[in-house]
This record gives sequence, structure tokens and C-alpha cells, in this order.
Amino acid sequence: GAGVSQSPSNKVTEKGKDVELRCDPISGHTALYWYRQSLGQGLEFLIYFQGNSAPDKSGLPSDRFSAERTGGSVSTLTIQRTQQEDSAVYLCASSQTVGELFFGEGSRLTVL
Amino acid sequence: SQQGEEDPQALSIQEGENATMNCSYKTSINNLQWYRQNSGRGLVHLILIRSNEREKHSGRLRVTLDTSKKSSSLLITASRAADTASYFCATDGQAAGNKLTFGGGTRVLVKP
Repeated sequence: GAGVSQSPSNKVTEKGKDVELRCDPISGHTALYWYRQSLGQGLEFLIYFQGNSAPDKSGLPSDRFSAERTGGSVSTLTIQRTQQEDSAVYLCASSQTVGELFFGEGSRLTVL
Repeated sequence: SQQGEEDPQALSIQEGENATMNCSYKTSINNLQWYRQNSGRGLVHLILIRSNEREKHSGRLRVTLDTSKKSSSLLITASRAADTASYFCATDGQAAGNKLTFGGGTRVLVKP
């Protein structure tokens, strides 16, 4: 796969459950971002990984949200004890250092 | 908080007309980028303009950057129905930890 891959593409869960969203970036890309987009809105920055540096977690909305990036490649965004306001499309993107971002198709999360 | 803000929020034009949208930002930037998003999924990179550049062209796209006014514009000439999408500007700068942050977007409808 040449592009950024995200899974699942759609996830429906019940309030209070934990969810994990996965992102496979383009091989060799050192930067990886997670954004959240509510319907008809802009992209809300969540977290940014750059190489071996400590991630920029300044956009995570609460301590229920966490993300990790293993081996500088695959990343997992975890949302614990989901709430209805967590419903959104979660977008992952990767790039070579600074420059053009390549986006995945997103994971649409619906919390009932 | 978002660094860039697009104006207008929505734009409706006839096929063949030009579409212009603007982006304003708050702090000094390294680069400014424009992206397009169809149907609320992944974004596609259109063009990147560096802080020391004033104008850039790519096909039917023309981007300008005025760092003194902290603003950029995206012009789509001879629009087509296929240009119907949301358009976002994104900036990176030292104040934001060099991560890419997005504005709220302009929704463009090109009527055939």
C-alpha cells in the first residue's frame, strides 16, 4: 500500500466503551498526525509524532485520549470511556519531516 | 485553537467562474498549505507556499501570501463541477511547535 491506511473505517460503540483506532503511515515518513473532524467542521489537532522526539500531545481534549507510535511506524489512538461528544471522523496523516501531509480516509466513530 | 481562519465559510458559483477564498493566521509561519476535502474524508494537498514566497501557481490554482497582513488567498480559475469540495488552509510555525494546524475551511459549490 502506497498510501496512509486507517482502520476501522467505521466504528459504532456504546457510551463508556473503549475504542482503538489504527493508522499505518507511508513507509519512511517520520511525522505522523492525528486530527479530529466533526460534521461540517474544520480539523482539530490532537497529537503529533516527529521521529524520536517526544510527541506533541497539546491537542488531546482529555486524559481519556492517548496515542502511541510503535517503532516509528504504526500509530494507535485510544479513547477510553467514550462519550457521545467523541463522535467524529478521526483523520491520520503522515509526512517526511515538514511539508505535504498525506491523509488516510479516516475512521468514523459513532458513540451511541 | 486553530491558527488559520478561512473566509468565506461557504461559496456558491457557476461553472466557469473563478472562486476566491482567503485565509488569515495569527503568528509567524514557516509555510502555508492549501488542501481540498471531498465528502468529509481524507484531505488532498494542493499547494505549499513558503514564508519568503509571495505567489505560486499550479494549474488552475493561484495562491498568494502576504506575511505583513498574515493572510493568504486561493484562486481557482475557470471552475468546474468537480471543484466542489471544502478547502482548508494549514500553517506551521515555531509558535505552534512547528506542527501543522488547520482552519475551519471554505465549502465551495460549483453549479453546472
